[in-house]
Amino acid sequence: EAQVTQNPRYLITVTGKKLTVTCSQNMNHEYMSWYRQDPGLGLRQIYYSMNVEVTDKGDVPEGYKVSRKEKRNFPLILESPSPNQTSLYFCASSLLNSPYNEQFFGPGTRLTVL
Amino acid sequence: GENVEQHPSTLSVQEGDSAVIKCTYSDSASNYFPWYKQELGKRPQLIIDIRSNVGEKKDQRIAVTLNKTAKHFSLHITETQPEDSAVYFCALLGGATNKLIFGTGTLLAVQP
Repeated sequence: EAQVTQNPRYLITVTGKKLTVTCSQNMNHEYMSWYRQDPGLGLRQIYYSMNVEVTDKGDVPEGYKVSRKEKRNFPLILESPSPNQTSLYFCASSLLNSPYNEQFFGPGTRLTVL
Repeated sequence: GENVEQHPSTLSVQEGDSAVIKCTYSDSASNYFPWYKQELGKRPQLIIDIRSNVGEKKDQRIAVTLNKTAKHFSLHITETQPEDSAVYFCALLGGATNKLIFGTGTLLAVQP
């Protein structure tokens, strides 16, 4: 089944404790992206990647890191989480040169930083 | 950078009525305009999209219209049903990038 997976789905942590949220897709998509969703603010892009070893900042990259060592994986790293990073996070992927450019979203990760 | 404004932020309609959500944008190079539906606790999913060379597209009870001159596009849902209740996001693909810019979302509540 074609899909985007994220782990963990729920995470409660404390300020300053490094964490990683994994994202994996099995559709051979070149493009992958991380969003955070907060009430009233919609979906804001954190980082995106056009292909392996190619990453770039989105609109709200502060406090986050990503890597793209393999085409299928795009982990999101919070080196020192803070309470303002409490949010719902979505990973998404798409073909880069498709005429439709539909983005497929993962199930989401609800992160709480105490 | 590119920006998209979405209105209204909340919309309540009676079952069977129509619902319209509108988005405006500024970058005339934008060429792809999708709409995503997010049910409570679920991931956003594409429901309909339109490209800049088309003025209207319809899929059963859902339609999207695009006015390139005025730089706005709208989602129309007819004969609304309770299962249409969700948050709807408009988005656009700007210029030469594959970067989707999302609106802030509209919470649609269909009252039975």
